[in-house]
Amino acid sequence: DQQVKQNSPSLSVQEGRISILNCDYTNSMFDYFLWYKKYPAEGPTFLISISSIKDKNEDGRFTVFLNKSAKHLSLHIVPSQPGDSAVYFCAASEGYGGATNKLIFGTGTLLAVQP
Amino acid sequence: EAGVAQSPRYKIIEKRQSVAFWCNPISGHATLYWYQQILGQGPKLLIQFQNNGVVDDSQLPKDRFSAERLKGVDSTLKIQPAKLEDSAVYLCASSPTGWGNEQFFGPGTRLTVL
Repeated sequence: DQQVKQNSPSLSVQEGRISILNCDYTNSMFDYFLWYKKYPAEGPTFLISISSIKDKNEDGRFTVFLNKSAKHLSLHIVPSQPGDSAVYFCAASEGYGGATNKLIFGTGTLLAVQP
Repeated sequence: EAGVAQSPRYKIIEKRQSVAFWCNPISGHATLYWYQQILGQGPKLLIQFQNNGVVDDSQLPKDRFSAERLKGVDSTLKIQPAKLEDSAVYLCASSPTGWGNEQFFGPGTRLTVL
């Protein structure tokens, strides 16, 4: 049972344009969401997160939007840069900060930013 | 600050052989995780330690996988005997207590079982 879904395996955008990566989840108990970026031969690195009490969180060029009623979140990258080319994973957990809060990951979206 | 260290980076073994992976978390991080990432999938949690105690091992195939975290620092993950379907990247991550849900990942060990 895939509780976190990233339905687009890949996405290609032009440098300077907006990249929008999408993520859907099925477990209504999830209330904390994270995005990780992964380069080849490296481990995932944390990018940005959002709590269910918010519907938007910004950090520089990266913004995450959460629509709880639709069980959907998205990551916007504006403007996109070639260095943003990587696999992006969406992850979700129940609760925040507890010792047992495990992350459930999506399958990832490969973003390619063309110069 | 040094990141999460893992070794080896790559390992190729025959099926039915055994293999072990090592992880050194970020200094001071109480929580340590082992994930399995099969090609085309997201990381899946195998086991989570809080200091040297197991918090969650519900998805660890205990008939062939084992893990330990001695003295609440380094950890080893062992597979014995390996199967073809164990071919994957094994990721170690750590986090400080009360940090929220952000985890810091190591580079992973890519295991190929022939």
